[in-house]
Amino acid sequence: AQSVTQLGSHVSVSEGALVLLRCNYSSSVPPYLFWYVQYPNQGLQLLLKYTSAATLVKGINGFEAEFKKSETSFHLTKPSAHMSDAAEYFCAVSDRYNQGGKLIFGQGTELSVKP
Amino acid sequence: EPEVTQTPSHQVTQMGQEVILRCVPISNHLYFYWYRQILGQKVEFLVSFYNNEISEKSEIFDDQFSVERPDGSNFTLKIRSTKLEDSAMYFCASSLQQGQETQYFGPGTRLLVL
Repeated sequence: AQSVTQLGSHVSVSEGALVLLRCNYSSSVPPYLFWYVQYPNQGLQLLLKYTSAATLVKGINGFEAEFKKSETSFHLTKPSAHMSDAAEYFCAVSDRYNQGGKLIFGQGTELSVKP
Repeated sequence: EPEVTQTPSHQVTQMGQEVILRCVPISNHLYFYWYRQILGQKVEFLVSFYNNEISEKSEIFDDQFSVERPDGSNFTLKIRSTKLEDSAMYFCASSLQQGQETQYFGPGTRLLVL
């Protein structure tokens, strides 16, 4: 069965500092991997996804993530945090052979950005 | 930009009552999903729907739950007899294809069962 673990339910960084949100997955088949962001009172918005092309994936708002098969990781990074990045971030995995297409989510990481 | 919409944004109901949560997926999308998030917990998959049939459902999606696409635009989740533990945020999502295709999420309906 697939699963996702996000290390750190809360991460706090200063404005301008590096953002690193960790995600590890477990999957018996090559997965599709996603990062979603949720701003207060809004739905989940896709930041980026890995679908077996380039292992370094660039997304919106300056975020990127690297798929590392050997480490079963898909960590999200941004070189310089902005106040507007404060939100909850969810890592998710999908089984490419699954007919239903369901996403399995991690617990989420709340990112705070200090001025 | 097209978006998924959900109504109502908040619903309060008494235990044992039926509720219907409504979603309007993006118009050319073919795959539809419901997820829920109990406060403080993970977003959990409930059901996926394609071609007027359930494609997959989770263990959570028992006989108390049903989904329907009553017309060409709406996608509904019905809970027949609500329990306290059904209190959660319910998200609808849609995608053009499945698998690697992006699922677009609505803003959610917060359901409170008293």
